[in-house]
Amino acid sequence: QKEVEQDPGPLSVPEGAIVSLNCTYSNSAFQYFMWYRQYSRKGPELLMYTYSSGNKEDGRFTAQVDKSSKYISLFIRDSQPSDSATYLCAMNSNTGKLIFGQGTTLQVKP
Amino acid sequence: GAGVSQSPSNKVTEKGKDVELRCDPISGHTALYWYRQSLGQGLEFLIYFQGNSAPDKSGLPSDRFSAERTGGSVSTLTIQRTQQEDSAVYLCASSAGTVLSGNTIYFGEGSWLTVV
Repeated sequence: QKEVEQDPGPLSVPEGAIVSLNCTYSNSAFQYFMWYRQYSRKGPELLMYTYSSGNKEDGRFTAQVDKSSKYISLFIRDSQPSDSATYLCAMNSNTGKLIFGQGTTLQVKP
Repeated sequence: GAGVSQSPSNKVTEKGKDVELRCDPISGHTALYWYRQSLGQGLEFLIYFQGNSAPDKSGLPSDRFSAERTGGSVSTLTIQRTQQEDSAVYLCASSAGTVLSGNTIYFGEGSWLTVV
């Protein structure tokens, strides 16, 4: 079993839809949780960063962490075609490295 | 530059040849990471440096892979006797400290390696 599980999709939604992306994990020692966005043939860019449980909002994006369930989510409101990308969840291990999910490919259709 | 810089951006090599991939981290960042991403896959951790030492190199797939970092800055990932399964994007990232301290990491654009 992988430490971090993420549904690879692809996920296709119409413009304006609310998108929900999720990851589950098995290591209860994870403390920091991140979401990266990766456009085709580009490096991943940090989108959201949260510590421990709770919600964090930034514009159209909301990151949610539920440590009791070992479950994190990223919500995108009013999705735009420019949001079409691969979204990777990541979390830290106790050795200082980040462990990534497989990534979910999202397509927002105009 | 302001970001993580990687070279070459693209490399096509023949099976059995050695390749070197270079990473220039963000200035002042003490931690440096190498990840590998195969087509349609997530990021696979290879090695990370804190300064010039490598506390965790557990992800290096075989003894054909090695990495070094000098002067607490530039890092080189070397793949000897390349195999077709080494074809992937090699991503370098850096951070001001380790993620254990709550520091976020920033990625370069990657080196796209194709072994033919």
